[in-house]
Amino acid sequence: EVQLVESGGGLVQPGGSLRLSCATSGLTFRNYSMTWVRQAPGKGLEWVANIKPDGSEKYYVDSVKGRFTISRDNAKNSLFLQMNSLRAEDTAVYYCARPAWANGGYWGQGTLVTVSS
Amino acid sequence: DIQMTQSPSSLSASVGDRVTITCRASQGIGNDLGWYQQKPGKAPRRLIYAASSLQSGVPSRFSGSRSGTEFTLTVSSLQPEDFATYYCLQYDSYPWTFGQGTKVEIK
Repeated sequence: EVQLVESGGGLVQPGGSLRLSCATSGLTFRNYSMTWVRQAPGKGLEWVANIKPDGSEKYYVDSVKGRFTISRDNAKNSLFLQMNSLRAEDTAVYYCARPAWANGGYWGQGTLVTVSS
Repeated sequence: DIQMTQSPSSLSASVGDRVTITCRASQGIGNDLGWYQQKPGKAPRRLIYAASSLQSGVPSRFSGSRSGTEFTLTVSSLQPEDFATYYCLQYDSYPWTFGQGTKVEIK
């Protein structure tokens, strides 16, 4: 059974930083591109970032470019999202996922990030 | 960027009804589209990938189709557990984009 478990969310002040982690099991993590998706309270889903299996290529939504960094540790089957210069509009549930492609459809349970003073 | 226009934004339906939700892409995306169901407080669940392939474990009353840049999710006979919000996602090119969502409510 595939499991994706996020951690690291919480309350942070505007301008602060937070690092999200996603521990995976049940899939050959090193072979898979991985994704972060977020959902602001009462809003729809928004794709945030992707990373290729070897970490060589990373892609971001414009609103987080230069502030967020996606990374991975294939030896530990883990995905990360370093979030700097956080803004109120970054408040959301953040999901670790492999939502696309035939060998996908996996989502974590999400971790809530609240940016507020 | 590719825009995904999803319609309707909400609908009311009865158990047993046939329901159709549409996503239109602003440019060609091939078959690189998935459909997701989300219930309140829960993570999304994939129903369809590659426009028309049924995710393992998903009931056969769900189906997906494509005509050019228009994609359709059909529920052939709505069940009580199907009342939820549905999203499409294009993963053909970056930035990936979701549709705005369709909330399916009980009539």
